[in-house]
Amino acid sequence: DGGITQSPKYLFRKEGQNVTLSCEQNLNHDAMYWYRQDPGQGLRLIYYSQIVNDFQKGDIAEGYSVSREKKESFPLTVTSAQKNPTAFYLCASSIAGPYNEQFFGPGTRLTVL
Amino acid sequence: DAKTTQPPSMDCAEGRAANLPCNHSTISGNEYVYWYRQIHSQGPQYIIHGLKNNETNEMASLIITEDRKSSTLILPHATLRDTAVYYCIVSNTGRDDKIIFGKGTRLHILP
Repeated sequence: DGGITQSPKYLFRKEGQNVTLSCEQNLNHDAMYWYRQDPGQGLRLIYYSQIVNDFQKGDIAEGYSVSREKKESFPLTVTSAQKNPTAFYLCASSIAGPYNEQFFGPGTRLTVL
Repeated sequence: DAKTTQPPSMDCAEGRAANLPCNHSTISGNEYVYWYRQIHSQGPQYIIHGLKNNETNEMASLIITEDRKSSTLILPHATLRDTAVYYCIVSNTGRDDKIIFGKGTRLHILP
């Protein structure tokens, strides 16, 4: 089945540690996105990539880093510089550009202790 | 900031039509109206989008006013499974535009 997978579903880390969240898609989509969601809030864009080996900062990129070495994969690293990393992280992909339908993964809930 | 305004919550009786309003008074000519929904603790799901004309698919209908400053998402026969947060989004056809998710409308379907 085609879709987007994120792993793990729940992740716990100690404060000061970097952590990498996985996002894989087999939809052959060019564009991929990372969002952060806090309780009771909408989604905020962290980073997005429209093509392999290229990515742009979203609205809240500070404290995060990404890579796009393969079309299928867009991992997100939450660094120790992110002041409040505990949140629900969602990955999405689309055919090309944000104006097309975005397909979302199930999300990773990160808790920093 | 989101380019849309939605009521924070709404109730609808099961089996009735749910009509979710959205104001987008600053929408420009090349911007589409998109609707997504998010069931608790899941990723958002695309519902429908439109530019000028009304649209219908297997999930919902989208009614856009003639001046395009507002729209209504209609779920014709709401079920308990339709309980979710519904996001109305405007986005243009430019490749660099970013989709901005506001807080959406929390729809409660009442049995």
